Amino acid sequence: GAGVSQSPSNKVTEKGKDVELRCDPISGHTALYWYRQSLGQGLEFLIYFQGNSAPDKSGLPSDRFSAERTGGSVSTLTIQRTQQEDSAVYLCASSLGLTGGFDQPQHFGDGTRLSIL
Amino acid sequence: AQSVSQHNHHVILSEAASLELGCNYSYGGTVNLFWYVQYPGQHLQLLLKYFSGDPLVKGIKGFEAEFIKSKFSFNLRKPSVQWSDTAEYFCAVKKLTGGGNKLTFGTGTQLKVEL
Repeated sequence: GAGVSQSPSNKVTEKGKDVELRCDPISGHTALYWYRQSLGQGLEFLIYFQGNSAPDKSGLPSDRFSAERTGGSVSTLTIQRTQQEDSAVYLCASSLGLTGGFDQPQHFGDGTRLSIL
Repeated sequence: AQSVSQHNHHVILSEAASLELGCNYSYGGTVNLFWYVQYPGQHLQLLLKYFSGDPLVKGIKGFEAEFIKSKFSFNLRKPSVQWSDTAEYFCAVKKLTGGGNKLTFGTGTQLKVEL
């Protein structure tokens, strides 16, 4: 079946521009997560959605970063006034959340490679 | 702050050698533990997970991991690696209380298996 879909796969933009990254989770997955992976770093949590609400935004690095999720499905991550340090691979994951008392594992997309010139 | 440590950043093995990748975490409460793998050009995939019960868990492709609570460790093992195991391996931890629903990842171990 279809996995987590992210678009674009690659994005190159100039410093100071705004960018929007899109994530289409696996159908029926209520939980959605954004992470980023910078060069030489592990994966860094950004934000978590349960349905359309975001109970945990603790990983957003600054107020230039925001995310929303509509209809319990697609999510967009927006970075305003991009800086060179925003260059990274942005990964989206989705899961069934808590099912049958057990936390379900996260399934990852291929990521968006963002390069800020 | 909770952290996850993978001490081996790059590992090179010959085919049929045994593998053990270390993972330690710093949080003292109840956790769920995961190993993810990323093959070249592919997305992250779940290799195995530990939630509760038998601390020795078996995953796909002959991998296993052992949770040792007293050592805060969740090391990944495979008795005999294959060239196709060349990939990057990430350990991840989820706190079950007070941690939200996020995974905290280690920095990854790049494994190269030579023929």
